[in-house]
Amino acid sequence: DVKVTQSSRYLVKRTGEKVFLECVQDMDHENMFWYRQDPGLGLRLIYFSYDVKMKEKGDIPEGYSVSREKKERFSLILESASTNQTSMYLCASSSQGAWGYGYTFGSGTRLTVV
Amino acid sequence: AQKVTQAQTEISVVEKEDVTLDCVYETRDTTYYLFWYKQPPSGELVFLIRRNSFDEQNEISGRYSWNFQKSTSSFNFTITASQVVDSAVYFCARPRGAGSYQLTFGKGTKLSVIP
Repeated sequence: DVKVTQSSRYLVKRTGEKVFLECVQDMDHENMFWYRQDPGLGLRLIYFSYDVKMKEKGDIPEGYSVSREKKERFSLILESASTNQTSMYLCASSSQGAWGYGYTFGSGTRLTVV
Repeated sequence: AQKVTQAQTEISVVEKEDVTLDCVYETRDTTYYLFWYKQPPSGELVFLIRRNSFDEQNEISGRYSWNFQKSTSSFNFTITASQVVDSAVYFCARPRGAGSYQLTFGKGTKLSVIP
């Protein structure tokens, strides 16, 4: 019954590494989102996509990029990981029809950059 | 973006106590939706409720109830007879604006229910 899957639950990477976070949804949703969650700061939108090969910057896109080659998959890329990117990363998807449940979230990836 | 404010950062209650989580939102729209999500320690945000601005009736679902008041732009969430399993971070959210597919979230309230 898994609907939004994030490829890793925990990741530890070194400073300067290129990091890929993968997100796959099986609900045929048009919209997909990447957020990071930090204590005291809530959820902050990094990037989002409303269609295949389409992407839009969110509130904190610096240091990140994304890829959406297929409707079901939305990848977040840290071009050169830094310690200030240590965070919980949450992927979400939603339909462009009725709001329904709003977003459906993945379980999150807790990334530590050392 | 139209803001969502959850003024309570952390709340601790003893099991079986009632607790209310506050949510105040900004809106310039005539119609809008409001949401509550629960994030247990496992990490995944789980949908609790969606409310349409047309409908100001309060809603009750088991031990959960929601009080929606357009006059004060508030959508508060009450847990009756709290249980340890209610320990989580709770987020209130609304669409960023009319026609937007993005949700704006409050910063969340961390609820700890002590046995």
